[in-house]
Amino acid sequence: KAGVTQTPRYLIKTRGQQVTLSCSPISGHRSVSWYQQTPGQGLQFLFEYFSETQRNKGNFPGRFSGRQFSNSRSEMNVSTLELGDSALYLCASSLESGAVSPLHFGNGTRLTVT
Amino acid sequence: AQKITQTQPGMFVQEKEAVTLDCTYDTSDPSYGLFWYKQPSSGEMIFLIYQGSYDQQNATEGRYSLNFQKARKSANLVISASQLGDSAMYFCAMREGIYPGANNLFFGTGTRLTVIP
Repeated sequence: KAGVTQTPRYLIKTRGQQVTLSCSPISGHRSVSWYQQTPGQGLQFLFEYFSETQRNKGNFPGRFSGRQFSNSRSEMNVSTLELGDSALYLCASSLESGAVSPLHFGNGTRLTVT
Repeated sequence: AQKITQTQPGMFVQEKEAVTLDCTYDTSDPSYGLFWYKQPSSGEMIFLIYQGSYDQQNATEGRYSLNFQKARKSANLVISASQLGDSAMYFCAMREGIYPGANNLFFGTGTRLTVIP
């Protein structure tokens, strides 16, 4: 069974631009969550989608948005990029939302904003 | 208050020895889950082990076991027979509740484990 796939692996953008990251969950998984990892703030929850609906959202500005498609694939968008958005963005999938099933993470997308 | 506390920024262990990575948590929700993840330098987060708050037995997965002490709110990871490939960052994480939308994990700051040959 293929794992969680995130594309692209690396991305370099300039301030003010926008970016879209993609995540394909493990087959059969319906929940997709996004996390931001930085040296200063560690791992922080961005949002979770389940059956195309946002179920939960972390404490991030509205520039961070996401969506989920009917095949459970998810995209995350960051608009008006700031230097502080440079981070590793991790996507995780699980069978259900809020159940006991563990989250399985992808390899991440490393975003650098210059 | 921090939801997850990992007090060991770095740990060293001799190859083939056992090592314990500490984790304490803080929650008032009676239903919660505790996870350990391994993050090698490549960046991927690898799921290691899970313990539910209602589980009576300590979780074990191969060389990994979770020493769950509910009254002390601790969930330490024990790695037996350490291997060079175990060198990585290890994160403890907690999910509060089992209701829909409770898929946000609270992570600790991590412990960097180095296995010495």
